[in-house]
Amino acid sequence: DADVTQTPRNRITKTGKRIMLECSQTKGHDRMYWYRQDPGLGLRLIYYSFDVKDINKGEISDGYSVSRQAQAKFSLSLESAIPNQTALYFCATRFGGEAFFGQGTRLTVV
Amino acid sequence: GENVEQHPSTLSVQEGDSAVIKCTYSDSASNYFPWYKQELGKRPQLIIDIRSNVGEKKDQRIAVTLNKTAKHFSLHITETQPEDSAVYFCAAISGTYKYIFGTGTRLKVLA
Repeated sequence: DADVTQTPRNRITKTGKRIMLECSQTKGHDRMYWYRQDPGLGLRLIYYSFDVKDINKGEISDGYSVSRQAQAKFSLSLESAIPNQTALYFCATRFGGEAFFGQGTRLTVV
Repeated sequence: GENVEQHPSTLSVQEGDSAVIKCTYSDSASNYFPWYKQELGKRPQLIIDIRSNVGEKKDQRIAVTLNKTAKHFSLHITETQPEDSAVYFCAAISGTYKYIFGTGTRLKVLA
């Protein structure tokens, strides 16, 4: 299922570097989300967007920013990466009640 | 803000036994309660959901129950099989945009 695509799939970056994770979707859904997954902490909401003019902070937005370049694209940036941002990041779209996830991006900050 | 608590964090059952995972939510405005399954190395995928106007829903070996008064809902898996081994997430949806997940339950089905 390539309807929600994340790039890159894996990334190792150094502390202090700026990094962008990209998400694109072909589902035509307005609602898009970024989550981070850590062991024992589940899926925590970073940012969400209803459309290109509507961006909202989630539970853990500090240290992150997003850009909704088009309905189909929603990017997550780490302004200055730090080791505790090492995690698995998921982009998701939503239609009705169901969320559709991308494959995930495993980010390691060293 | 909204909060979803999920228990247990890990659960081991013998193949053929039942498994129950419980979630409690804080926002009384929540009206949609989905469950997602995440197999190792894969993305979460919806397996069953329930809306607030229904108390129970069943789909083959899985069922979900909802108690709105107590603000909790549960996932029941009967006749567990090795392929049921995964991480399961509950969610409680309130409002139009937010989608808040529980912390996950790692289910291991022992052959």
